Amino acid sequence: DQQVKQNSPSLSVQEGRISILNCDYTNSMFDYFLWYKKYPAEGPTFLISISSIKDKNEDGRFTVFLNKSAKHLSLHIVPSQPGDSAVYFCAASDSGGSNYKLTFGKGTLLTVNP
Amino acid sequence: EAQVTQNPRYLITVTGKKLTVTCSQNMNHEYMSWYRQDPGLGLRQIYYSMNVEVTDKGDVPEGYKVSRKEKRNFPLILESPSPNQTSLYFCASSLGVGVQETQYFGPGTRLLVL
Repeated sequence: DQQVKQNSPSLSVQEGRISILNCDYTNSMFDYFLWYKKYPAEGPTFLISISSIKDKNEDGRFTVFLNKSAKHLSLHIVPSQPGDSAVYFCAASDSGGSNYKLTFGKGTLLTVNP
Repeated sequence: EAQVTQNPRYLITVTGKKLTVTCSQNMNHEYMSWYRQDPGLGLRQIYYSMNVEVTDKGDVPEGYKVSRKEKRNFPLILESPSPNQTSLYFCASSLGVGVQETQYFGPGTRLLVL
């Protein structure tokens, strides 16, 4: 049972345009959400996070939006750059849980074309 | 340089031959965790440790052991590897224990069990 779903395996955008990566979750206990970026042959690196008490968090070109009622979050990258090409993982966590684990989606491969 | 290191990076072995994948962090982090990444499944937690001598099971612990005798090291042990343990393994660590603590990932260990 996939509790965090990234339904788009891949996304291709032009440099300078907006990239929108989507993520849905089913576990209502999740209250903290993160995005990780992964380049080939490297481990995931933290990008941005959001707590369920917020509906938006911004860090430079990256903005994460959270819609709790729809159990949906999205990552916006504006403007997109070729160096943003990577696999993006959505992850969720339950702050009341005992192991502080991250539950990951399957990832979305973003390709930014020059 | 602050980092999480894993060794080996690549390993080919045969069924039943015990192996250990080492993980070490130089950031004095309390929390450490092991994940495996499989195609179409995202990353799943195997084991985690909240401090020295404190370890517990994640979502997919079967066939694995861990130990945390020192704060910096968290080896993953496969006593009798099987082909279904062929995967990409990531070690992660965070400074404190809690969902808002950023987890830093190692570069990954690609394991093939024949």
